[in-house]
Amino acid sequence: DVKVTQSSRYLVKRTGEKVFLECVQDMDHENMFWYRQDPGLGLRLIYFSYDVKMKEKGDIPEGYSVSREKKERFSLILESASTNQTSMYLCASSWTETYEQYFGPGTRLTVT
Amino acid sequence: AQKITQTQPGMFVQEKEAVTLDCTYDTSDPSYGLFWYKQPSSGEMIFLIYQGSYDQQNATEGRYSLNFQKARKSANLVISASQLGDSAMYFCAMRGAGNNRKLIWGLGTSLAVNP
Repeated sequence: DVKVTQSSRYLVKRTGEKVFLECVQDMDHENMFWYRQDPGLGLRLIYFSYDVKMKEKGDIPEGYSVSREKKERFSLILESASTNQTSMYLCASSWTETYEQYFGPGTRLTVT
Repeated sequence: AQKITQTQPGMFVQEKEAVTLDCTYDTSDPSYGLFWYKQPSSGEMIFLIYQGSYDQQNATEGRYSLNFQKARKSANLVISASQLGDSAMYFCAMRGAGNNRKLIWGLGTSLAVNP
């Protein structure tokens, strides 16, 4: 079974803090994704990566950056957290772009 | 532009009955794929079923089947013999053609299964 893990289920941070969200997959998938999910807005893609050190902006990259130094790990970085980044963050991976994405359990981030 | 529409914000079904969750899509690409995901209250998105635009038969996976009507651009999810554990949010998503790694997501349908 594919396993995607995220470093925290719940996280509370203060405005202005640098926040790291980690995601690890164990199936040697090429593609990895970071989404945020907000009520009424559905899933919105922040960034994705199709190879080590390769990344592409999604629909809402502003205020975020990513890092993929190893194939199995994809990190989402909030350089200076703001209250409007309070959300559920979901990481996903897929074998190739044509295959289904497998998701981690999500991180519910609250920025106060 | 590609778009997914799920018109039912909430649905109710009695345990052991079948339920259909609607999904319509809009795309000009001849090659595309459609996915359904389930999100229980725990938050994890679970892949259910996939339908390719060139697949001749409707996809089935256990109690899940996809009613794919290409001319109508609809890809409805049918859950047979509903169980209490089927209560969740259900999302329809579409992958475009070519080198398009993004999925286009609908806003979801909340399904409640009544005992």
